[in-house]
Amino acid sequence: EIVLTQSPGTLSLSPGERAALSCRASQSVNSNYLAWYQQKPGQAPRLLIFGASSRATGIPDRFSGSGSGTDFTLTISRLEPEDFAVYYCQQYGTSPPYSFGQGTKLEIK
Amino acid sequence: QVQLVQSGAEVKKPGSSVKVSCKASGGSFSSYAISWVRQAPGLGLEWMGGIMTVFGAPNYAQKFQGRVTITADESTNTAYMELSGLRSDDTAVYYCARASIRSPIMVTIDYFDSWGQGTLVTVSS
Repeated sequence: EIVLTQSPGTLSLSPGERAALSCRASQSVNSNYLAWYQQKPGQAPRLLIFGASSRATGIPDRFSGSGSGTDFTLTISRLEPEDFAVYYCQQYGTSPPYSFGQGTKLEIK
Repeated sequence: QVQLVQSGAEVKKPGSSVKVSCKASGGSFSSYAISWVRQAPGLGLEWMGGIMTVFGAPNYAQKFQGRVTITADESTNTAYMELSGLRSDDTAVYYCARASIRSPIMVTIDYFDSWGQGTLVTVSS
């Protein structure tokens, strides 16, 4: 089973700043089958990035994903007030279980 | 655009079972995989298991083996998750999520592109 570790646990930034969230896998993720989701309080997760770097439909271009193998990053270039939320990475490269990271909470400084 | 609509909140006694439904509307149910993901209060996302609807074969996370049963009814575009032997630490929001199937033989799927709204299950005596 691939274990995903996200860091930091909490990131405190101000609107307009750049955010970089990390996701590290315990073994290489096949074909970069890694996704990022955003979750706001009381809502279901929303797909942001798939295939490590492809934006989902309707996702603003301030969100970008990068990385390969075991190290992946979600970058938000200029934070908007609505971007403060919890972010999860998830791998789907192997047969089950399709593991999630423990999440990074992005909070307003 | 497919929408996944889940059944309503449940309150259950310890030791009982709960069955949550997930109905797809506005899109195809066939040839997709439906997974169930739960989130305990204040915690992260936990994949419980899933089913490749057209193939009908479920698979489960080891943690839930023997306690969870996932089924799908293609005629009504509805998936179900039943969890038995409920304990207080099963209190959580349960989500269904849809993914395309990459390989039914390797049991690999793609990312979760649609999610249900979540169903709160509270286990309390």
